[in-house]
Amino acid sequence: SQKIEQNSEALNIQEGKTATLTCNYTNYSPAYLQWYRQDPGRGPVFLLLIRENEKEKRKERLKVTFDTTLKQSLFHITASQPADSATYLCALRTEYGNKLVFGAGTILRVKS
Amino acid sequence: EADIYQTPRYLVIGTGKKITLECSQTMGHDKMYWYQQDPGMELHLIHYSYGVNSTEKGDLSSESTVSRIRTEHFPLTLESARPSHTSQYLCASSEFDGGEQFFGPGTRLTVL
Repeated sequence: SQKIEQNSEALNIQEGKTATLTCNYTNYSPAYLQWYRQDPGRGPVFLLLIRENEKEKRKERLKVTFDTTLKQSLFHITASQPADSATYLCALRTEYGNKLVFGAGTILRVKS
Repeated sequence: EADIYQTPRYLVIGTGKKITLECSQTMGHDKMYWYQQDPGMELHLIHYSYGVNSTEKGDLSSESTVSRIRTEHFPLTLESARPSHTSQYLCASSEFDGGEQFFGPGTRLTVL
C-alpha cells in the first residue's frame, strides 16, 4: 500500500544546532515533494518544493534533499531558533498530478 | 500572508444541525481543496474543485457536500452534523495542479 512516513516522535534540539527531519515514502513515484510548516491550531504554510530531478534545494536556513532511489527526503534547518518550533509536514504530488498526499508531520522543539 | 479566509474559526453545535463552513480566496486560483485533520494526524482530502461548477470527492469519504459557483468561494455543508464530524477542517487553494497550496486558518468543529 502507499504510505508516507515521518518521525512520529518529536525532535528536541538545542538552539543553534541543525535540525534534520525525515520523510520516507513507499509505492509512490512523486513528480515532486513539498515541505510545509504547521503551528498549533493553524493551517500549514508552504516552505519548499523539490522536483524529482533535483537533488537539493535551499532557502535561507532551510535545505531539502530528495533521493528517489531511497524514496526519501531530508529537511534541514540550520542554526535553529526557538521560533522554528512547529510541526513540519511533507507532501507528495502523486503521479496522477492533481492532488497532494500529506504525511502526519514531525514536531520540532528548539530549546534555548 | 495567504489571502484565503475561513469562517467561523470555531463552531460548537448540537447533533442534527445543518452547518456551512465558509472558504474564500482572493488570489484567483482555480484549484481549491477541503481537508479534514484530527490532532496529530495527517490531512485527509475530502473535496476538491478544478474550477467553477467542478467538484470531486477526495480520498477520505465524507458526508459533507461542497459547491463552487464562484471562483473565489468554496463552501462546505453538513446537512446533519454528528459527533463523528468533530474535527478541524482546512480549506486550501493552488494555482497549479499539485502545486504549492495556500491554506486558510481552519475551522475547528465540535458536534455535541
